[in-house]
Amino acid sequence: EADIYQTPRYLVIGTGKKITLECSQTMGHDKMYWYQQDPGMELHLIHYSYGVNSTEKGDLSSESTVSRIRTEHFPLTLESARPSHTSQYLCASSERGYRHEKLFFGSGTQLSVL
Amino acid sequence: AQRVTQPEKLLSVFKGAPVELKCNYSYSGSPELFWYVQYSRQRLQLLLRHISRESIKGFTADLNKGETSFHLKKPFAQEEDSAMYYCALSGGSYIPTFGRGTSLIVHP
Repeated sequence: EADIYQTPRYLVIGTGKKITLECSQTMGHDKMYWYQQDPGMELHLIHYSYGVNSTEKGDLSSESTVSRIRTEHFPLTLESARPSHTSQYLCASSERGYRHEKLFFGSGTQLSVL
Repeated sequence: AQRVTQPEKLLSVFKGAPVELKCNYSYSGSPELFWYVQYSRQRLQLLLRHISRESIKGFTADLNKGETSFHLKKPFAQEEDSAMYYCALSGGSYIPTFGRGTSLIVHP
């Protein structure tokens, strides 16, 4: 079934650890995004990609990095997690990235850094 | 720069009452506007978009360029409408910008 998948759903980790949040979509979409969502706050764009080998930083300054080696896969990596990284991370995709296109969201990863 | 403002963090109404969730935007060009909804324990999903001019689950939204608003309305709220609602704008960058969201609670 065509969908967008995020793993893990929840992650509790200690300060200083390296973590990778996985995001995969089977819809054949070109454009993918990572948003950070905190309660009562805007969704903040942290990274996006137009396609394979394309990655761009978003509005929110982030210490994370992303890669897009395959169309369907857009993982987000934190080299050294800190408590300030505690948040909900949402992955999304859109077919070609036109202005009027809707975004399809994954279920999110709730990250807690102790 | 583009910006979306949702002035209400929480909106509480009784079943059958009219609902209006406010959204104001700042963008110098012609925007594409959207409303997304997140029901409890579900994913964020599109509710409706300006370009489609559709009514979904009884909700409508009209773009008012003079007031730079895209308010979401429903004449008679239902308990199942309780959710988090996000207004979003897509401008020249083709990257959607989201507001902070409004939590709608519909009491029985």
